[in-house]
Amino acid sequence: QVQLVQSGAEVKKPGASMKVSCKASGYTFPGYYMHWVRQAPGQGLEWMGWINPNSGGTNYAQKFQGRVTMTRDTSISTAYMELSRLRSDDTAVYYCVRGGLIAAAPQDYWGQGTLVTVSS
Amino acid sequence: QSALTQPASVSGSPGQSITISCTGTSSDVGGYNYVSWYQQHPGKAPKVMIYDVSNRPSGVSIRFSGSKSGNTASLTISGLQAEDEADYYCNSYTSSRTLVFGGGTKLTVL
Repeated sequence: QVQLVQSGAEVKKPGASMKVSCKASGYTFPGYYMHWVRQAPGQGLEWMGWINPNSGGTNYAQKFQGRVTMTRDTSISTAYMELSRLRSDDTAVYYCVRGGLIAAAPQDYWGQGTLVTVSS
Repeated sequence: QSALTQPASVSGSPGQSITISCTGTSSDVGGYNYVSWYQQHPGKAPKVMIYDVSNRPSGVSIRFSGSKSGNTASLTISGLQAEDEADYYCNSYTSSRTLVFGGGTKLTVL
């Protein structure tokens, strides 16, 4: 069965960087886009970007351009999302979400979420 | 890219039907048949209920249906049940090869 297992909760100071991992299993990792979505406390879902695990190609939401980097290691079926220059309003649960064979395809499986708290 | 527009809240009594709208532009909702709907219960990860405007994943109740007209997509839940009370989000593919979510709608079953 498809599973996305994310790394554990983190506490970061403003200005620092964070890196969340997402280990996939139960399917062919390079064949499906991976999206990253975040949700601030009590707020809605916010799409951050996608990575094509096959090519390594990425596309980020304009809001995060210059601060976010999405990478992958196909040898261990793991995707990563790094966000730099953290601010307090980056406090959120971060999800990796499996997409489809193309960027437009629907997202079906979600990781369990990783809470990142940014506080001095 | 601006968020898609959803009503903040809707409500209905058990057995009734409700519809949640999701309004975008010709660069997202209106331009592609790649609209999905997600249900999220408190403290849980979202679950896809509808994809590609009107398709239901295996295991999702037939009480959930989706449609689209112009720049507005809609999610209809018929025969409301207490377990349907949750937050609902739409999202759409865009002309920039990105995704955009709606602001979310809180469904209350009275």
